[in-house]
Amino acid sequence: DVKVTQSSRYLVKRTGEKVFLECVQDMDHENMFWYRQDPGLGLRLIYFSYDVKMKEKGDIPEGYSVSREKKERFSLILESASTNQTSMYLCASFSSDPSSYNEQFFGPGTRLTVL
Amino acid sequence: QQQVKQSPQSLIVQKGGISIINCAYENTAFDYFPWYQQFPGKGPALLIAIRPDVSEKKEGRFTISFNKSAKQFSLHIMDSQPGDSATYFCAAFHPSNTGKLIFGQGTTLQVKP
Repeated sequence: DVKVTQSSRYLVKRTGEKVFLECVQDMDHENMFWYRQDPGLGLRLIYFSYDVKMKEKGDIPEGYSVSREKKERFSLILESASTNQTSMYLCASFSSDPSSYNEQFFGPGTRLTVL
Repeated sequence: QQQVKQSPQSLIVQKGGISIINCAYENTAFDYFPWYQQFPGKGPALLIAIRPDVSEKKEGRFTISFNKSAKQFSLHIMDSQPGDSATYFCAAFHPSNTGKLIFGQGTTLQVKP
């Protein structure tokens, strides 16, 4: 089974702090994603990465950055946390192998509260 | 062009009833339409998916109906059970082989016993 793990389930930070959210997948997937989930807005893509050290902005990249130094690990960084970044953050991975099933595999999420 | 619009935002159904969630898209380049199911405290997981060359796909009590000309698709849950209570997301797959998905806004389904 594909497993996507996220470093924390719950996180409370103060405004202005630098926040790191870590995601690790164990299936050698090329593509990894960071989303935020808010009620009524669905899942919105923040950043994605299709290879090590490669990244592309999603729909809402402002206030975030990412790092992918190793294939299995994709980090989301909030340079200076703000209260409007309080949300559920979900990481996902996907294989580019055309013979694999077209499925994004999600981690359990990190609920971040910024005070 | 890149949006997927989902309705309703919330749905309450009696046990044994039919739950129907609707989605609409605009970009005709989308070529794969999955539905994800999310239980509280969990990440979303793939439930069922369809390609635009078929009009219907059924897996157990879950059916996707697809109307290519109207650019709409819907999820039907037959004989809804309390265990189906979850948040459901429709999505459209961007044909770039990176797995990028465009998600709808989500529907919270509550099935009352």
